[in-house]
Amino acid sequence: IHMTQSPSSVSASVGDRVTITCRASQDINIWLAWYQQKPGKAPKLLIYAASTLQRGVPSRFSGSGSGTDFTLTISSLQPEDFATYYCQQAESFPRTFGPGTKVDIK
Amino acid sequence: DVQLVESGGGLVPPGGSLRLSCAASGFSLTSYSMNWVRQAPGKGLEWISYMSHTNSPINYADSVMGRFTISRDDAKNSLYLQMDSLRVEDTAVYYCARDGGGRFDSWGQGSLVIVSS
Repeated sequence: IHMTQSPSSVSASVGDRVTITCRASQDINIWLAWYQQKPGKAPKLLIYAASTLQRGVPSRFSGSGSGTDFTLTISSLQPEDFATYYCQQAESFPRTFGPGTKVDIK
Repeated sequence: DVQLVESGGGLVPPGGSLRLSCAASGFSLTSYSMNWVRQAPGKGLEWISYMSHTNSPINYADSVMGRFTISRDDAKNSLYLQMDSLRVEDTAVYYCARDGGGRFDSWGQGSLVIVSS
Protein backbone atom coordinates (compact mmCIF):
# COMPACT_ATOMS: atom_id res chain seq x y z
CA ILE A 1 0.00 0.00 0.00
CA HIS A 2 1.53 3.30 -1.13
CA MET A 3 1.13 6.30 1.16
CA THR A 4 1.33 9.94 0.09
CA GLN A 5 1.28 13.12 2.14
CA SER A 6 0.66 16.75 1.37
CA PRO A 7 2.09 19.22 1.65
CA SER A 8 5.71 18.05 1.85
CA SER A 9 6.46 21.09 3.96
CA VAL A 10 4.54 23.93 5.56
CA SER A 11 5.70 27.16 7.14
CA ALA A 12 3.50 28.33 9.99
CA SER A 13 3.46 30.59 13.01
CA VAL A 14 2.77 29.84 16.65
CA GLY A 15 -0.99 29.78 17.11
CA ASP A 16 -1.75 28.79 13.53
CA ARG A 17 -4.02 25.90 12.62
CA VAL A 18 -2.12 23.35 10.55
CA THR A 19 -3.64 20.53 8.51
CA ILE A 20 -1.71 17.68 6.91
CA THR A 21 -3.32 15.17 4.61
CA CYS A 22 -2.40 11.55 3.97
CA ARG A 23 -3.73 9.33 1.21
CA ALA A 24 -3.51 5.55 0.88
CA SER A 25 -3.40 3.82 -2.50
CA GLN A 26 -6.17 1.47 -1.37
CA ASP A 27 -8.83 1.24 1.34
CA ILE A 28 -7.24 0.87 4.78
CA ASN A 29 -10.43 1.41 6.79
CA ILE A 30 -9.29 3.32 9.90
CA TRP A 31 -5.90 1.60 10.22
CA LEU A 32 -3.76 4.69 10.11
CA ALA A 33 -1.31 6.15 12.60
CA TRP A 34 0.43 9.52 12.82
CA TYR A 35 3.93 10.16 14.24
CA GLN A 36 5.94 13.23 15.13
CA GLN A 37 9.72 13.22 14.72
CA LYS A 38 12.16 15.87 15.84
CA PRO A 39 15.74 16.03 14.50
CA GLY A 40 17.97 13.35 16.00
CA LYS A 41 15.11 11.74 17.90
CA ALA A 42 12.97 8.65 17.48
CA PRO A 43 9.44 9.09 16.14
CA LYS A 44 6.64 9.49 18.66
CA LEU A 45 3.16 8.05 18.19
CA LEU A 46 0.50 10.78 18.22
CA ILE A 47 -2.68 9.19 16.86
CA TYR A 48 -3.77 5.67 15.98
CA ALA A 49 -6.87 4.13 14.42
CA ALA A 50 -7.14 7.37 12.43
CA SER A 51 -8.56 9.45 15.27
CA THR A 52 -7.59 8.01 18.67
CA LEU A 53 -5.18 10.21 20.61
CA GLN A 54 -2.26 8.35 22.16
CA ARG A 55 -2.09 8.74 25.94
CA GLY A 56 -0.20 11.86 26.93
CA VAL A 57 -0.52 13.62 23.57
CA PRO A 58 -1.98 17.15 23.81
CA SER A 59 -5.58 17.59 22.69
CA ARG A 60 -4.58 20.21 20.09
CA PHE A 61 -3.68 17.23 17.91
CA SER A 62 -6.56 15.48 16.17
CA GLY A 63 -7.01 13.01 13.36
CA SER A 64 -9.83 12.13 11.04
CA GLY A 65 -10.66 10.10 7.99
CA SER A 66 -11.28 6.57 6.82
CA GLY A 67 -10.83 4.52 3.70
CA THR A 68 -8.12 6.27 1.68
CA ASP A 69 -8.12 9.89 2.89
CA PHE A 70 -6.93 11.08 6.29
CA THR A 71 -6.10 14.33 8.03
CA LEU A 72 -3.93 15.38 10.95
CA THR A 73 -4.81 18.76 12.44
CA ILE A 74 -2.90 20.83 14.95
CA SER A 75 -5.45 23.33 16.21
CA SER A 76 -3.02 25.92 17.61
CA LEU A 77 0.62 25.36 16.75
CA GLN A 78 3.02 25.50 19.70
CA PRO A 79 6.81 26.01 19.57
CA GLU A 80 7.41 22.35 20.45
CA ASP A 81 5.30 21.21 17.47
CA PHE A 82 7.85 22.19 14.85
CA ALA A 83 8.86 18.77 13.54
CA THR A 84 8.28 16.29 10.74
CA TYR A 85 5.04 14.31 10.71
CA TYR A 86 4.56 10.88 9.15
CA CYS A 87 1.47 8.80 8.50
CA GLN A 88 1.65 4.98 8.50
CA GLN A 89 -0.83 2.35 7.39
CA ALA A 90 -1.45 -0.53 9.78
CA GLU A 91 -3.87 -2.47 7.61
CA SER A 92 -1.46 -4.95 6.04
CA PHE A 93 2.17 -5.96 5.54
CA PRO A 94 4.46 -4.48 4.47
CA ARG A 95 3.74 -1.60 6.80
CA THR A 96 4.32 1.62 4.89
CA PHE A 97 4.88 5.24 5.82
CA GLY A 98 4.12 8.45 4.03
CA PRO A 99 7.13 10.54 2.93
CA GLY A 100 6.65 13.04 5.75
CA THR A 101 5.55 16.65 6.17
CA LYS A 102 7.98 19.11 7.69
CA VAL A 103 6.39 21.86 9.78
CA ASP A 104 8.75 24.77 10.22
CA ILE A 105 8.66 28.30 11.50
CA LYS A 106 7.39 31.01 9.19
CA ASP B 1 8.09 2.38 32.24
CA VAL B 2 8.53 0.91 28.80
CA GLN B 3 12.08 1.23 27.52
CA LEU B 4 13.82 -0.03 24.39
CA VAL B 5 17.59 0.26 24.03
CA GLU B 6 19.32 -0.64 20.77
CA SER B 7 22.98 -1.53 20.43
CA GLY B 8 25.35 -3.12 17.96
CA GLY B 9 25.54 -0.52 15.22
CA GLY B 10 28.76 0.59 13.61
CA LEU B 11 30.82 0.77 10.43
CA VAL B 12 30.87 -2.33 8.23
CA PRO B 13 32.16 -2.87 4.65
CA PRO B 14 29.79 -3.81 1.83
CA GLY B 15 29.06 -7.53 1.97
CA GLY B 16 29.68 -7.67 5.69
CA SER B 17 27.44 -8.62 8.60
CA LEU B 18 26.23 -7.00 11.78
CA ARG B 19 23.80 -7.95 14.55
CA LEU B 20 21.66 -5.34 16.23
CA SER B 21 20.19 -5.89 19.68
CA CYS B 22 17.18 -4.28 21.32
CA ALA B 23 16.85 -4.74 25.08
CA ALA B 24 13.28 -4.32 26.29
CA SER B 25 12.18 -3.42 29.80
CA GLY B 26 8.85 -2.61 31.38
CA PHE B 27 7.06 -5.28 29.33
CA SER B 28 7.62 -8.79 28.00
CA LEU B 29 8.42 -9.67 24.39
CA THR B 30 6.22 -12.75 24.90
CA SER B 31 3.26 -10.38 25.22
CA TYR B 32 4.01 -7.82 22.52
CA SER B 33 4.95 -8.13 18.87
CA MET B 34 7.94 -6.13 17.71
CA ASN B 35 9.27 -4.37 14.64
CA TRP B 36 12.45 -2.96 13.14
CA VAL B 37 12.19 0.36 11.31
CA ARG B 38 15.06 2.21 9.65
CA GLN B 39 15.76 5.71 8.46
CA ALA B 40 18.47 6.52 5.93
CA PRO B 41 20.28 9.84 6.49
CA GLY B 42 17.95 12.71 5.63
CA LYS B 43 15.22 10.34 4.46
CA GLY B 44 11.89 9.02 5.70
CA LEU B 45 10.93 5.98 7.73
CA GLU B 46 11.03 2.46 6.29
CA TRP B 47 9.54 -0.55 8.07
CA ILE B 48 11.75 -3.62 7.57
CA SER B 49 10.66 -6.46 9.83
CA TYR B 50 7.97 -7.74 12.22
CA MET B 51 7.91 -10.59 14.71
CA SER B 52 4.75 -11.73 16.44
CA HIS B 53 4.80 -12.17 20.22
CA THR B 54 3.99 -15.84 19.48
CA ASN B 55 7.10 -16.09 17.25
CA SER B 56 4.98 -16.47 14.15
CA PRO B 57 4.32 -14.86 11.78
CA ILE B 58 7.49 -13.09 10.83
CA ASN B 59 7.45 -10.55 8.00
CA TYR B 60 10.15 -8.69 6.06
CA ALA B 61 10.27 -5.84 3.59
CA ASP B 62 11.30 -6.89 0.10
CA SER B 63 14.41 -4.69 0.43
CA VAL B 64 15.87 -6.95 3.17
CA MET B 65 14.20 -10.32 2.50
CA GLY B 66 16.76 -13.12 2.45
CA ARG B 67 19.52 -10.94 3.95
CA PHE B 68 18.13 -9.89 7.35
CA THR B 69 16.80 -12.17 10.11
CA ILE B 70 14.71 -11.09 13.10
CA SER B 71 14.85 -13.14 16.29
CA ARG B 72 14.50 -12.81 20.04
CA ASP B 73 15.74 -14.24 23.33
CA ASP B 74 12.91 -14.46 25.84
CA ALA B 75 15.25 -15.05 28.78
CA LYS B 76 17.02 -11.78 28.01
CA ASN B 77 13.82 -10.04 26.87
CA SER B 78 15.77 -8.89 23.83
CA LEU B 79 15.07 -8.59 20.11
CA TYR B 80 17.74 -8.98 17.44
CA LEU B 81 18.29 -8.17 13.79
CA GLN B 82 20.96 -10.18 12.03
CA MET B 83 22.02 -8.27 8.93
CA ASP B 84 24.05 -10.12 6.28
CA SER B 85 25.24 -9.18 2.79
CA LEU B 86 25.05 -5.54 3.74
CA ARG B 87 24.85 -2.92 1.01
CA VAL B 88 25.70 0.76 0.93
CA GLU B 89 21.96 1.51 0.75
CA ASP B 90 21.43 -0.22 4.11
CA THR B 91 23.14 2.72 5.79
CA ALA B 92 20.58 4.07 8.25
CA VAL B 93 19.54 4.54 11.83
CA TYR B 94 17.78 1.36 12.91
CA TYR B 95 14.98 1.54 15.46
CA CYS B 96 13.21 -1.25 17.27
CA ALA B 97 9.57 -0.43 17.93
CA ARG B 98 6.87 -2.13 19.96
CA ASP B 99 3.78 -3.15 18.04
CA GLY B 100 0.49 -1.95 19.50
CA GLY B 101 -1.87 -3.54 17.01
CA GLY B 102 -0.17 -2.34 13.84
CA ARG B 103 0.94 0.97 15.27
CA PHE B 104 4.40 1.53 16.76
CA ASP B 105 3.71 2.75 20.29
CA SER B 106 7.21 2.74 21.78
CA TRP B 107 10.56 3.27 20.06
CA GLY B 108 14.19 2.87 20.99
CA GLN B 109 16.70 5.66 20.56
CA GLY B 110 18.11 4.12 17.38
CA SER B 111 21.41 2.53 16.34
CA LEU B 112 23.43 3.88 13.42
CA VAL B 113 24.68 1.42 10.82
CA ILE B 114 27.12 2.70 8.18
CA VAL B 115 27.96 0.45 5.27
CA SER B 116 31.05 1.77 3.53
CA SER B 117 34.43 0.66 2.29
